[in-house]
Amino acid sequence: KQEVTQIPAALSVPEGENLVLNCSFTDSAIYNLQWFRQDPGKGLTSLLLIQSSQREQTSGRLNASLDKSSGRSTLYIAASQPGDSATYLCAVDSNYQLIWGAGTKLIIKP
Amino acid sequence: DTAVSQTPKYLVTQMGNDKSIKCEQNLGHDTMYWYKQDSKKFLKIMFSYNNKELIINETVPNRFSPKSPDKAHLNLHINSLELGDSAVYFCASSHLMGGYTFGSGTRLTVV
Repeated sequence: KQEVTQIPAALSVPEGENLVLNCSFTDSAIYNLQWFRQDPGKGLTSLLLIQSSQREQTSGRLNASLDKSSGRSTLYIAASQPGDSATYLCAVDSNYQLIWGAGTKLIIKP
Repeated sequence: DTAVSQTPKYLVTQMGNDKSIKCEQNLGHDTMYWYKQDSKKFLKIMFSYNNKELIINETVPNRFSPKSPDKAHLNLHINSLELGDSAVYFCASSHLMGGYTFGSGTRLTVV
């Protein structure tokens, strides 16, 4: 049974710092891995999609990596801004469904 | 705009009522889903439909019944609503290997 874990559960850093969010999964048989952002009381915004054959994807200040063999993905945020404050969710596409981590709540202090 | 749209955005209703949430996608995706986000913010799949056929039906009370009239629509009907049904319900769609797109969610409050 696929399980997804995200560490840390919460993170608070000063503006301008670079940071890394971690995601691990137990079964390497995945179609892809997707990172989402959720603002309080809002919906789910897709940030990056990494296909199972890919090692990383980049979008602006965000870079996500995928290592299927070790069951790990990282989301790197460069030069963090207060607007980056949100909950970041990692989800693994496995067997016709997304299996979710519990999220990392990120606070960027001005 | 290409998107997954679900209505209503908010739904407040009394225990015992029957309600429906509608979802439509214009992305041409083959598969649609309903996910539930509980008070602890954990997301869990409820149903998955591929080309109008049910392919996943997780352990969900049979008071919840999905209906897919065509592959662009997946509605969720809930009978005899209970307090514990209060949650945010997300509709989503996907295409093989293409990632998922989510609707903005329906916040259901049962009083």
